[in-house]
Amino acid sequence: DAKTTQPPSMDCAEGRAANLPCNHSTISGNEYVYWYRQIHSQGPQYIIHGLKNNETNEMASLIITEDRKSSTLILPHATLRDTAVYYCIVRAVLNTGFQKLVFGTGTRLLVSP
Amino acid sequence: GAGVSQSPSNKVTEKGKDVELRCDPISGHTALYWYRQSLGQGLEFLIYFQGNSAPDKSGLPSDRFSAERTGGSVSTLTIQRTQQEDSAVYLCASSLVEGFTYGYTFGSGTRLTVV
Repeated sequence: DAKTTQPPSMDCAEGRAANLPCNHSTISGNEYVYWYRQIHSQGPQYIIHGLKNNETNEMASLIITEDRKSSTLILPHATLRDTAVYYCIVRAVLNTGFQKLVFGTGTRLLVSP
Repeated sequence: GAGVSQSPSNKVTEKGKDVELRCDPISGHTALYWYRQSLGQGLEFLIYFQGNSAPDKSGLPSDRFSAERTGGSVSTLTIQRTQQEDSAVYLCASSLVEGFTYGYTFGSGTRLTVV
């Protein structure tokens, strides 16, 4: 799996957009970018994933640069409940075999009133 | 069930005792994974089950750790002769198939404390 680099922590004011960056400069053509988050005392929660096009769902938007070497997770209107550790993961999708999700240390996002 | 269920939620055990941790995946999910998370650390992969295939045990830290999955559903992670370094939150996840499309759904974990 390609290595990802994320800032250890970020702050965001409630109601503002939270933009969480991730560098994955060694990503391969068959590797997707996934984002998960882990709220205190809970298991990680899937947020969104993408290959090369920007993606949006009810939770967030994912912006992937054209060269795919970095991406940004956007929470458009952060709430206090979005305070969590956010993990950026890259992983290939294989037709056969198993490839585990490798979680790094993530970005600890603190949303303040 | 509606989500991945793990039991017990908390377990305190004495050093040297054996423990069993249980995971009930989402009904119909064929893939099941165990991870553990030590205090302040990231997630460490332990073992993976897919249907009736042989499990991928490459993440098990020692032969004191074992896991089984009966009938393609419930899984039990067993730690024999527990040590203090085994203290962690043990997380189970399942997915519809092994692949990205459906994502992983994690349980809330079992917090194991070895005293």
